[in-house]
Amino acid sequence: SAVISQKPSRDICQRGTSLTIQCQVDSQVTMMFWYRQQPGQSLTLIATANQGSEATYESGFVIDKFPISRPNLTFSTLTVSNMSPEDSSIYLCSVSEGATEAFFGQGTRLTVV
Amino acid sequence: RKEVEQDPGPFNVPEGATVAFNCTYSNSASQSFFWYRQDCRKEPKLLMSVYSSGNEDGRFTAQLNRASQYISLLIRDSKLSDSATYLCVVNIFRDDKIIFGKGTRLHILP
Repeated sequence: SAVISQKPSRDICQRGTSLTIQCQVDSQVTMMFWYRQQPGQSLTLIATANQGSEATYESGFVIDKFPISRPNLTFSTLTVSNMSPEDSSIYLCSVSEGATEAFFGQGTRLTVV
Repeated sequence: RKEVEQDPGPFNVPEGATVAFNCTYSNSASQSFFWYRQDCRKEPKLLMSVYSSGNEDGRFTAQLNRASQYISLLIRDSKLSDSATYLCVVNIFRDDKIIFGKGTRLHILP
């Protein structure tokens, strides 16, 4: 299993600003994922971040809006840039190794005002 | 066709009843299958993995049919604490992807 520490747990931000969310894992993992979960909805994959390569973004998500860093096998950040109220959501990081289950951070509840 | 589709829900079920959730997936390269549970305002947590031979954990039974690309979850003798959203999850290892269904909300009624 993996234990993930995600922070901040919540934030209220002004539109036009940026927020960086951090995920720290207690073990080395190859695959890290960033998800968004809007109110009442299921998780939507934003991007996959593997160490040593550029993040792979899903349709509808772009690097300029959601830049991701993956400097090593235990850490990743997601930045939500130039925020608007539509970015208000829960953001979750997740890790998985091979074909095993995914483990999640506690989530970041973002409100943009 | 969505990659992972689930019953829309919500399911409102009296305590003690049996409830079944279904899920279909479209990518035949899918390798691993899971059911996750998500409580309100919490992150998803693994409920159980799903194997072709079927597996059971107490009141919970999961089944996988690879030929039909179909996964099921059965909850027997439901408890009030089973109220949550249940997510069907597929791991496509070849594509480095884990795909979540939209989830099915379950409300157990006293």
